[in-house]
Amino acid sequence: EVQLVESGGGLVQPGGSLRLSCAASGFTVSSNYMSWVRQAPGKGLEWVSVIYSGGSTYYADSVKGRFTISRDNSKNTLYLQMNSLRAEDTAVYYCARHRDIVATSDWGQGTLVTVSS
Amino acid sequence: QLVLTQSPSASASLGASVKLTCTLSSGHSSYAIAWHQQQPEKGPRYLMKLNSDGSHSKGDGIPDRFSGSSSGAERYLTISSLQSEDEADYYCQTWGTGIYVVFGGGTKLTVL
Repeated sequence: EVQLVESGGGLVQPGGSLRLSCAASGFTVSSNYMSWVRQAPGKGLEWVSVIYSGGSTYYADSVKGRFTISRDNSKNTLYLQMNSLRAEDTAVYYCARHRDIVATSDWGQGTLVTVSS
Repeated sequence: QLVLTQSPSASASLGASVKLTCTLSSGHSSYAIAWHQQQPEKGPRYLMKLNSDGSHSKGDGIPDRFSGSSSGAERYLTISSLQSEDEADYYCQTWGTGIYVVFGGGTKLTVL
């Protein structure tokens, strides 16, 4: 059974940093496309970043240069390093596994990041 | 520019059917999409991948009440025999070169 469990969210001041983790089971992270998707309070889903099985990484313009997606193959875990955080980064962050390049087919339960002073 | 457009809201009665629409922007009518459901206070749940020819592959455990179809740039999600637990937000999603993953704005479905 595929499982994705996010952790690492919390309250952080503007300008601060946070690292989110997504522990995967039931499949191999490095063999799949993996995305981070966020949802601000009361808003829709917004794609943040993707890492391809080959290791290429891509980012939404809103986070480019501030966020870094990575994975640890030995731990079968996906990460999102978030620096220079802004109030508008406040959201629930989900990790998601792609069944193919188009569709994210498995989702975690999400972790809440609040950026506030 | 690749954009997915969804109506903000829809409603239908318990036991009835409803058809939700996701429209691909001009020049992208051949794209496949995915449909996701998000019940209140829950994370998203993958429903299906829907191709331009209307063929679709559903996620594990998705009831037969959920089906997909396509016409031109329109991608549809039909839910029949509506149940109270179908009240949720529904998002379409696709992928494009240089844009990568993109979501529609979502449709809030109310079951009356």
